[in-house]
Amino acid sequence: RKEVEQDPGPFNVPEGATVAFNCTYSNSASQSFFWYRQDCRKEPKLLMSVYSSGNEDGRFTAQLNRASQYISLLIRDSKLSDSATYLCAVNNDYKLSFGAGTTVTVRA
Amino acid sequence: GAVVSQHPSWVICKSGTSVKIECRSLDFQATTMFWYRQFPKQSLMLMATSNEGSKATYEQGVEKDKFLINHASLTLSTLTVTSAHPEDSSFYICSASSGTNTYEQYFGPGTRLTVT
Repeated sequence: RKEVEQDPGPFNVPEGATVAFNCTYSNSASQSFFWYRQDCRKEPKLLMSVYSSGNEDGRFTAQLNRASQYISLLIRDSKLSDSATYLCAVNNDYKLSFGAGTTVTVRA
Repeated sequence: GAVVSQHPSWVICKSGTSVKIECRSLDFQATTMFWYRQFPKQSLMLMATSNEGSKATYEQGVEKDKFLINHASLTLSTLTVTSAHPEDSSFYICSASSGTNTYEQYFGPGTRLTVT
């Protein structure tokens, strides 16, 4: 079983829609969690850290469910500029393990 | 703040030659640097972790004699792909951690290597 798994998508949504997707992780002792955004042929950029209580940053909301070992990302009021691949990352012993990414395409 | 650069951004080399990639933290001191490789439509795979002044720790399956890592200063780490083969063609990305919050890593822009 992979350490971190994501639904690859793609999720094709119209502008203004809400899109949400999950990421599961296998190591119950994982210490911290992140969502990164990666544009085509670019490096990943940190979107947000995921806290136990859940956190929100503008139109983005991240949740952590330790019991079921998954994290989620919800994007509200999607913009064309949100089109990207979203990678989840799980920290174990200061090393990040990444999922393969979920591709989101927002259409006009 | 927290800017990491990589050089070169892309490189084409012939089979059998060696290629060196540099990773620099521009505005902070990186106690730890990480090297990743990403094949198309796949996740970033950690290759090795390097701490300044000590030998790199390689992940299982990564040949340390093929991928030489040097972290000689707090702002520079290098990855040398020795005797490159076409299957080494990939996107190599470094990241750096300042140590003040070691969970956070700042990524360089990546180096696209093509071996012909």
